[in-house]
Amino acid sequence: QVQLVQSGAEVKKPGASVKVSCKASGYTFTNHYMHWVRQAPGQGLEWMGIINPGGGRTTYAQKFQGRITMTRDTSTSTVYMEVSSLRSDDTAVYYCARDGADWGQGTLVIVSA
Amino acid sequence: DIQMTQSPSSLSASVGDRVTITCRASQGISNYLAWFQQKPGKAPKSLIFAASSLQSGVPSKFSGSGSGTDFTLTISSLQPEDFATYYCQQYNSYPYTFGQGTNLEIK
Repeated sequence: QVQLVQSGAEVKKPGASVKVSCKASGYTFTNHYMHWVRQAPGQGLEWMGIINPGGGRTTYAQKFQGRITMTRDTSTSTVYMEVSSLRSDDTAVYYCARDGADWGQGTLVIVSA
Repeated sequence: DIQMTQSPSSLSASVGDRVTITCRASQGISNYLAWFQQKPGKAPKSLIFAASSLQSGVPSKFSGSGSGTDFTLTISSLQPEDFATYYCQQYNSYPYTFGQGTNLEIK
């Protein structure tokens, strides 16, 4: 069965960077796009961007352009998302989602001085 | 960006009721519309894609319809496990935007 297992919670200071991982199993990794979505505390879902694990091509929401980088490692079937220049309003749960249909368990990122 | 507007934002209903949630897109998105269910502290669960196609394993009490700009999610015979927050999402064009969510509560 499809499984997406994300890395553990992180606490970062403002201005720092964080890199969240999402390890996929149960399907052909390179055949399905991976989305990243975040959810601030008590708020709705926000789409951040997408990566094609096959060729590595990415598309980011304009809001995050220049501040996020999505990459993949086909040898370990893992996608990564790095967010730089963290601010307090980046505090959220970050999810990976395969084609939008299967979701990881979420990674809580707290940005606090 | 395409704006997705859900109504109502919150809804109270009783076990056994049938409810309908509406999602409107700010421009036409054909049928590139998905619905998700989210329970507190959990990841969203995909219910419907392509406006009306049920994801594998999702019970037929959930149904979706619509095309263009107006879409609905209908849940029949509500059970306690159906009380959650529901989101629509368009995937017609980047960025793939979500509605603000509809909180379905027990009356």
